[in-house]
Amino acid sequence: QVQLVQSGSELKKPGASVKVSCQASGYRFNTFAMNWVRQAPGQGLEWMGWINTDTGNPTYAQGFAGRFVFSLDTSVSTAYLQITSLQAEDTAVYFCARGDGSCTSGSCFYGYWGRGTLVTVSS
Amino acid sequence: QTVVTQEPSLTVSPGGTVTLTCASSTGAVTLGHYPNWFQQKPGQAPRSLIYSTGTKHSWTPARFSGSLLGDKAVLTLSGVLPEDEADYYCLLYYGGARMFGGGTKLTVL
Repeated sequence: QVQLVQSGSELKKPGASVKVSCQASGYRFNTFAMNWVRQAPGQGLEWMGWINTDTGNPTYAQGFAGRFVFSLDTSVSTAYLQITSLQAEDTAVYFCARGDGSCTSGSCFYGYWGRGTLVTVSS
Repeated sequence: QTVVTQEPSLTVSPGGTVTLTCASSTGAVTLGHYPNWFQQKPGQAPRSLIYSTGTKHSWTPARFSGSLLGDKAVLTLSGVLPEDEADYYCLLYYGGARMFGGGTKLTVL
C-alpha cells in the first residue's frame, strides 16, 4: 500500500537550517509529483509547492521561493524539504502529499499524505 | 494577492444538510480551478474528499458531494454524522499555482 513516511520533529534555533524527509513506498516514486504543505499552529493549510519526481523540477508558491528548497533522492524514493535561515514564523507542521493526475496542469489530486513533521524554531 | 475565502465556521445538526462554499478573489470559481476539498481532524493529516470539482475518491462517503454553485465551489454534506465534525479546506488551481482557502470549522451539534 502507498505510504509516505516523514521524519521526526525538529527543534531548531533561529538562523539554523532543517531538512525534512518524506520517504515513499508502495508505488513507483518517479511517476507521481510530491507536494509540500505547511500548517502553522492553530492555522490553516498553505500550499508551498511541488516537485516533479521525474525531472526534479520544483515549483514554489509565492512566499516560498528562496529559503525553501525541494529536492529528491530517487535511489531511496525520498523527497526533501530544506528550510534555511529559520525564523520563528517557520514554526509549523510540514506535510508531504503525493500529487496524482496531471499536476503540470490543474487536474491534480492529493490522495496520500504523510503524517507531518513539526518544526519548532525557538531560541 | 489572490485570496480564497471560506466560511470560518458553520454549525449543523446531526442528520442535517450543510453547504460549505469556496470563493476566489479573482472572480467566479470555474471548472478550470479544479476545486479540491479536504477534511482535517485535530492532530491528523488532511484527507482528500473531492477533486476536480465533484469527483470522489473510493473512500469518500456518499454523503459528501462537490459542485459549482453560482460563482463558488461548494461542498455539500447530506445526512451529517457526528464524525463529520472537522475542519474543511478547499484548494484552487491558478495556472500553475495552487491556494488553499482559510478553512471552515464544522461543528455538529
